Amino acid sequence: DQQVKQNSPSLSVQEGRISILNCDYTNSMFDYFLWYKKYPAEGPTFLISISSIKDKNEDGRFTVFLNKSAKHLSLHIVPSQPGDSAVYFCAASASDSGYALNFGKGTSLLVTP
Amino acid sequence: NAGVTQTPKFRVLKTGQSMTLLCAQDMNHEYMYWYRQDPGMGLRLIHYSVGEGTTAKGEVPDGYNVSRLKKQNFLLGLESAAPSQTSVYFCASSGVWNQPQHFGDGTRLSIL
Repeated sequence: DQQVKQNSPSLSVQEGRISILNCDYTNSMFDYFLWYKKYPAEGPTFLISISSIKDKNEDGRFTVFLNKSAKHLSLHIVPSQPGDSAVYFCAASASDSGYALNFGKGTSLLVTP
Repeated sequence: NAGVTQTPKFRVLKTGQSMTLLCAQDMNHEYMYWYRQDPGMGLRLIHYSVGEGTTAKGEVPDGYNVSRLKKQNFLLGLESAAPSQTSVYFCASSGVWNQPQHFGDGTRLSIL
């Protein structure tokens, strides 16, 4: 049973515009949320994270928003660049399971010039 | 600056053969993890370890065994490989208490 869901398999955005990637989760015990970026034939690369005690975290062009009541988080990329084209995975963990990550299926982002 | 290193990068096995995948990290991390990724799927946890000498089962542990005899190494074993274990295997490590996991570049395993 998928506990982390990314319902959009793909997203296409023009360079310079905002990219918004969404993620929903079902397990209320999750207390740490992360976004990973993945290029083909490489391992996932950590992008940004947020603890359940916060509702927003920013790092340069990347911002993650957490809505605990809706069990929803989103990743905003502003402005989007062609180099951002990759598969983005949402992941969540709980402290009582060794912080093992539960991943969504990923959203493939294409940023066009 | 190696981070997490996985060996081998590619392997083809016949059904019933056994093999061991090696993961090594040089960041002195306590926690280590093995995931598998299948087409159209996210990564799924096979086994994990919260410290040297300890292991625990993840979401999809059947058909796999692991060992963590040294802090820097985490081994994943397939005793009798099956075609359903064809996948890309990723190892990751992290420090304690909600640190981001760092991933290796994966091992592509095909079982015929």
